[in-house]
Amino acid sequence: AQKITQTQPGMFVQEKEAVTLDCTYDTSDPSYGLFWYKQPSSGEMIFLIYQGSYDQQNATEGRYSLNFQKARKSANLVISASQLGDSAMYFCAMRANTGNQFYFGTGTSLTVIP
Amino acid sequence: DGGITQSPKYLFRKEGQNVTLSCEQNLNHDAMYWYRQDPGQGLRLIYYSHIVNDFQKGDIAEGYSVSREKKESFPLTVTSAQKNPTAFYLCASSIVAQPYGYTFGSGTRLTVV
Repeated sequence: AQKITQTQPGMFVQEKEAVTLDCTYDTSDPSYGLFWYKQPSSGEMIFLIYQGSYDQQNATEGRYSLNFQKARKSANLVISASQLGDSAMYFCAMRANTGNQFYFGTGTSLTVIP
Repeated sequence: DGGITQSPKYLFRKEGQNVTLSCEQNLNHDAMYWYRQDPGQGLRLIYYSHIVNDFQKGDIAEGYSVSREKKESFPLTVTSAQKNPTAFYLCASSIVAQPYGYTFGSGTRLTVV
């Protein structure tokens, strides 16, 4: 069974500072993908970044980077130079490459302070 | 532009009524999914379908029903058997057996009145 754990219900960060959102996962599948989604108050889920389990380098997408530590089974999201528009819920998710179902964490609410 | 359209955005249901949430996609994706979101609980899978005329129960299928008569459409019916239907419902689609993420709709917020 797959499980995603996000232990930070809420986080605050000063504008222009960096913030790390934690995510740990548990799976017996050798091949899987890890994802982060942003959910603003409007409700839609916005894809941010993807990391494959066999990727040697950490994924980066603009101000987003994924700190992937396979041995620790962690996939933390790092947002650099926070902006007010980054205030939202953030979800970590995992999908085994042999299946199609996503497993989501409970989310972290990020508030960027001016 | 390709995407997923969910309607309505807001829906109110009286006790004992069935209601149907619409989900349409023009991405040519084979797989479609319905998730329920409650505060503090993340997303939970209700039903999914990988091919027309076939669908599977997810983790919380009781009180819900779906159909997949067309590749583009995957409507969700919340039946009167669902005792606590007030929630935010998200539809998603993806390419089957590819390590890519979902594309999500904008959601439907269902409230029982």
